[in-house]
Parts: sequence; C-alpha cells; structure tokens
Amino acid sequence: QLQLQESGPGVVKPSGALSLNCTVSGGSIPSSSSYYWGWIRQPPGKGLEWIGSVYYNGAAYENPSLKSRVTISVDTSKSQFSLKLNSVTAADTAVYYCVRHWDGGGYYYYTDVWGKGTTVTVSS
Amino acid sequence: EIVLTQSPATLSVSPGEGATLSCRASQSVTINLAWYQQKRGQAPRLLIYSASTRATGTPARFSGSGSGTEFTLTITSLQSEDSAVYYCQQYNNWPPETLTFGGGTKVEIK
Repeated sequence: QLQLQESGPGVVKPSGALSLNCTVSGGSIPSSSSYYWGWIRQPPGKGLEWIGSVYYNGAAYENPSLKSRVTISVDTSKSQFSLKLNSVTAADTAVYYCVRHWDGGGYYYYTDVWGKGTTVTVSS
Repeated sequence: EIVLTQSPATLSVSPGEGATLSCRASQSVTINLAWYQQKRGQAPRLLIYSASTRATGTPARFSGSGSGTEFTLTITSLQSEDSAVYYCQQYNNWPPETLTFGGGTKVEIK
C-alpha cells in the first residue's frame, strides 16, 4: 500500500527557508498523467491550506497566496518530491502534510493519500 | 478562488443519532467535492469524493450528496469513533485553479 513520509527540520529561523522532502514507499512516482504530488499545511488549531503540487514531469502549481515563496520539485528516480518555502515567518508554523492527488480514472484530481505530517515551527 | 463555508462549526450528538454537515461553495464546483475526516492528532482521511462516492474503507453510515454549490455529509447512527473534524474540499478545474478547503465541522459525541 502506498505510503508517504515527510522529513525535514522541525525548527526554522524567521526569514529563513523551510525545506521538506516526501518519500513515496510501497510504490513509486510513476510517469503517469493520473497523479499529482502535493503539500498541504495546517497551522495549530486551524484548518487546511493547499500549498502546491507537482506533476511527474516537474510541472508545478502553487497557491497564489504563497506562489512567490514556494518551490515544489520532484525526483522520480528517488521516489521523492520536495517543498521549499522562503522568507518564513511565525505564520508559517504548521503541520505540513505531503499528499497524492489522483484522477480516479476521471478528469479531476482529488486528494486520496496523506502522509502522517511533520510539525515545523518558525522560531529564533 | 472558490470559498467553501461549512456549517455548523460544532455539532454535539449522542451515540446512535444521526448528523448532517453542510458545505456551501461560493460558485459551482459541479460534483468535484470531497469530504475528509480528521481525528485528533492524525492526518485527514478521505471519506467521500465526487460528492457522493465513498472511498475504499469508508463505512456505509457515511453518505454524501449535493451538486453545484450545496453539499451535505450525512452520518447515520453515530459511533464514538466518529468524533472528529470533518472538512470539505473542492477540486473543480484543478489544476490550474486553486484547491480550497472549508473551515471544518467538529463533531462531538455526547
């Protein structure tokens, strides 16, 4: 069964860059049009916010509210995809989830697999 | 960006009773809407997609309905393990449009 696992520093200094990796196990990142691979975050006690997602060929889409600070990339040879968020502030403190989006054989993609999440705190 | 509004914010229900959760979209998302269950300290779990299709492993007491801008998640005969926050998410025309979530409904079991 496909599993996703986030990894990266738990603490990042203000104005620095947050970098996370997601490793896909029990499967791979296939060269398939059926999937996107993405990041969603959840600040403490708050709701869910989509950050961005990447296709197997590297094409990426980001939330317009974060677009200027976000880079999402994929390395299919390592079955990994990554998030980099620049110029972080306390408002970026959150649980970060890596996810898979699947088209289910149809046309639109829903989020069907979630990693367990990793907590990132922005603090000096 | 499509805004999703969930109501009520909190629902307190006795075991065995039913619950109805609402999700309203600021513009039509046709049936491109999913529901997620998030238990305390856990990642969200997909319950329903395409507004009414149960995901693998979703118990039959969970059902989704609606289209356009009005959606409902119904839970019949609530059990203690159903205590969680439930989120709706729209994925209409994504990508390139923005994926958005509702603010969540917290279901408490009395």
